[in-house]
Amino acid sequence: QKEVEQNSGPLSVPEGAIASLNCTYSDRGSQSFFWYRQYSGKSPELIMFIYSNGDKEDGRFTAQLNKASQYVSLLIRDSQPSDSATYLCAVISGTSYDKVIFGPGTSLSVIP
Amino acid sequence: ETGVTQTPRHLVMGMTNKKSLKCEQHLGHNAMYWYKQSAKKPLELMFVYNFKEQTENNSVPSRFSPECPNSSHLFLHLHTLQPEDSALYLCASSHGASTGVSWELFFGEGSRLTVL
Repeated sequence: QKEVEQNSGPLSVPEGAIASLNCTYSDRGSQSFFWYRQYSGKSPELIMFIYSNGDKEDGRFTAQLNKASQYVSLLIRDSQPSDSATYLCAVISGTSYDKVIFGPGTSLSVIP
Repeated sequence: ETGVTQTPRHLVMGMTNKKSLKCEQHLGHNAMYWYKQSAKKPLELMFVYNFKEQTENNSVPSRFSPECPNSSHLFLHLHTLQPEDSALYLCASSHGASTGVSWELFFGEGSRLTVL
């Protein structure tokens, strides 16, 4: 089983819609979860982090965490063409806090 | 300069060459990372240094040799590479595990390596 899994996409949504991105992880001891955005030809940049079960909202972004199901998601409301990018889920190892493991990423395309 | 700076941005080398990638961070962070990003594959963690000490080596072949002389600088020495090593090598830094602060990674722009 891969450590962090995501649907590779591409996920296409119309402008103004909600984009839903999903991630599962295998390490039950993981406590910290991140969503990074990577534009084509650019480096990843952090958009959200979440540590506790439940929802965390920041502007148009909502991260959701369910540790029992080992599942973390990212919702993007009112999607804009500028949101078109690859979204990377990252998980901190439960045994080695220096180990930041990334999923393969989901490519999102927001259609005007 | 601010943030994380990587040099060179592009590197072409033969399989018998020896070259080095350099990373410098100006963020006052304690931890530095090397990741490899290949097409269609996840970001692969290679090495982690925390307060200049190597804390992770993710089963990386010995033809990749990291060096961290201080908390601001990180090198990746390359020798006798293979064509499959061609990839984007990303350096990142963070506050690190010792502070208990967010583990947000700040990435450099990457070094695009092509091995002929």
